[in-house]
Amino acid sequence: QSALTQPRSVSGSPGQSVTISCTGTSSAVGGYNYVSWYQQHPGKAPKLMVYDVSKRPSGVPDRFSGSQSGNTASLTISGLQAEDEADYYCCSYAGSYTWVFGGGTKLTVL
Amino acid sequence: EVQLLESGGGLVQPGGSLRLSCAASGFTFSNYAMTWVRQAPGEGLEWVSTISGGGGSTYYANSMKGRFTVSRDNSKNTLFLQMNSLRADDTAVYYCAKSPLAVTTFDYWGQGTLVTVSS
Repeated sequence: QSALTQPRSVSGSPGQSVTISCTGTSSAVGGYNYVSWYQQHPGKAPKLMVYDVSKRPSGVPDRFSGSQSGNTASLTISGLQAEDEADYYCCSYAGSYTWVFGGGTKLTVL
Repeated sequence: EVQLLESGGGLVQPGGSLRLSCAASGFTFSNYAMTWVRQAPGEGLEWVSTISGGGGSTYYANSMKGRFTVSRDNSKNTLFLQMNSLRADDTAVYYCAKSPLAVTTFDYWGQGTLVTVSS
């Protein structure tokens, strides 16, 4: 499975909104509504922020939202805060109990 | 509180073997599929392997098939990854992760254990 395509970096000022895209294929992302987004701070384990395209685990702020259109999923972070600065990874179920991750996007809060 | 604690990482020579463990607590271990994900230094996340709650079904990324074996001991709430024929490009932090019942995502992660393959 080829990795999903994410922008290498995005940036925004505090209070602004940013959107990170994740492009796959019809066999990953487009074929299932099972895209997840993970936040990873340096030296830390990934943390689940959004799953099943647009669902948020308990405790994740509603500033984080997910969506999907065709073969592209998106994570939008509104009201940017300094602590949002991290790497973000998308991940899609790819069938037959296999998964594929995106290459990751570094979010910089200016 | 869900806790996952990996161990067993270290330095191994190319061609060698290593067995990673992941001790789980805070949930009924046998009810949930478990997964290994790795991250090479400075790189992104890569799905490695998933095992069903009962241990009867296992799944691997193509590059690990035949070299890695995932297993679990539900009586000891522990997940394992046996890695053989290790190569330099297997160098990575290996994370264990739990799935929810629907097995569509990975909702809890351990802190990872570093495997370095080098002579």
